[in-house]
Amino acid sequence: GAVVSQHPSWVICKSGTSVKIECRSLDFQATTMFWYRQFPKQSLMLMATSNEGSKATYEQGVEKDKFLINHASLTLSTLTVTSAHPEDSSFYICSARVGTGSTGNTIYFGEGSWLTVV
Amino acid sequence: DAKTTQPTSMDCAEGRAANLPCNHSTISGNEYVYWYRQIHSQGPQYIIHGLKNNETNEMASLIITEDRKSSTLILPHATLRDTAVYYCIVRDLNAGNMLTFGGGTRLMVKP
Repeated sequence: GAVVSQHPSWVICKSGTSVKIECRSLDFQATTMFWYRQFPKQSLMLMATSNEGSKATYEQGVEKDKFLINHASLTLSTLTVTSAHPEDSSFYICSARVGTGSTGNTIYFGEGSWLTVV
Repeated sequence: DAKTTQPTSMDCAEGRAANLPCNHSTISGNEYVYWYRQIHSQGPQYIIHGLKNNETNEMASLIITEDRKSSTLILPHATLRDTAVYYCIVRDLNAGNMLTFGGGTRLMVKP
């Protein structure tokens, strides 16, 4: 399957600082990428949909000014957690869509990034 | 997307087939059935998807009932590395691109 890579795999930051997480599609171009958050023992929750060259679409309850998403190229989307607080500590996962239309339209996920805010 | 219902957890003996059921009684004609799994502390891994015909790949088989209201993911020879949470997701490719995750089934493969 297609490869989606995230960096860093884990990061520890101080409260009040900002952290950037990168999501790359390694062997395909992704016009659309998705960012999820997962707390321990819970399912994945969609945060936002990132479209190359345009503003991200955020899910209800997700602060766009706190979780900045940039999708500047067809292979890279970044999530920046601004002014991080301990409650932002979570597993952040990106995914990218391969293909278009109603066939060959599969979504692949990155390895995830663990964020711990201390 | 249509809601899916999966058992919370299942056990399977190593080397035996693992059959994971999923109910999606409100599925519409445009919606596909996707299966992903998530091994602890990793991102979800795509397994298989289908519309109405049964599908098979190197990882698993997907059996969809004729009325499409339920499906079964089959891992033919489960190994310890198949221990994971398995998510059944119904997705309308024409209406949106995101995947909405439910609780999934926690499959425990035991020696």
